[in-house]
Amino acid sequence: DIQMTQSPSTLSASVGDRVTITCRASQSIGPWLAWYQHKPGKGPKLLIYRASSLERGVPSRFSGSESGTEFTLTINSLQPDDFATYYCQQYYHIWGLTFGGGTRVDIK
Amino acid sequence: DVQLVESGGGLVQPGGSLRLSCAASGFTFSNYALSWVRQAPGKGLEWVLGISGSDGSTNYADSVKGRFTISRDNSKNTLYLQMNSLRVEDTAVYYCAKGHQSTYGYYFDYWGQGTLVTVSS
Repeated sequence: DIQMTQSPSTLSASVGDRVTITCRASQSIGPWLAWYQHKPGKGPKLLIYRASSLERGVPSRFSGSESGTEFTLTINSLQPDDFATYYCQQYYHIWGLTFGGGTRVDIK
Repeated sequence: DVQLVESGGGLVQPGGSLRLSCAASGFTFSNYALSWVRQAPGKGLEWVLGISGSDGSTNYADSVKGRFTISRDNSKNTLYLQMNSLRVEDTAVYYCAKGHQSTYGYYFDYWGQGTLVTVSS
């Protein structure tokens, strides 16, 4: 199975901050990585797919990038609505999809 | 608009069975893969089972293989999860999620709100 290691597990930030979350794959997965935002009591929301493609309707302050097996989600100018937990997910391995452990973004 | 509505969660004893349903609308159901993803209390997301839209082929995480079964009824636009031999560690919110394409190797572009399954004596 492909392991996805996400860091940090928790992040404290203020409104207006630039936030970076990292996800590292245990092997090459190409660009086949998605990012989700998850809030309590709701289903996760797709933000980014194919490492850097922004899902329709998602604010442009969210962006994704890749460098080898390391992937990054960046939130520019954090907004109050952005305090949530974020997950990466690889979809390279057709026989098993795996998520990172999650990053909770808290208010500092 | 795409909607996924899960139902069937509840309290069940260890060793028991439960069947979850996910009613879908707003898209051509048979054209897309679907999965069940769960989140145990205080834990992250775990993909557990998937079913393709093209031929109905399935795949499972090792943690549920042999105990859980995923199926779909394209005539009713409904996804199912049959859970047998339930364990305390199966306690979680179970989400129905739509794949972005028909076959495996997909991300999830829509999710339901989830249904809670509690396994306890």
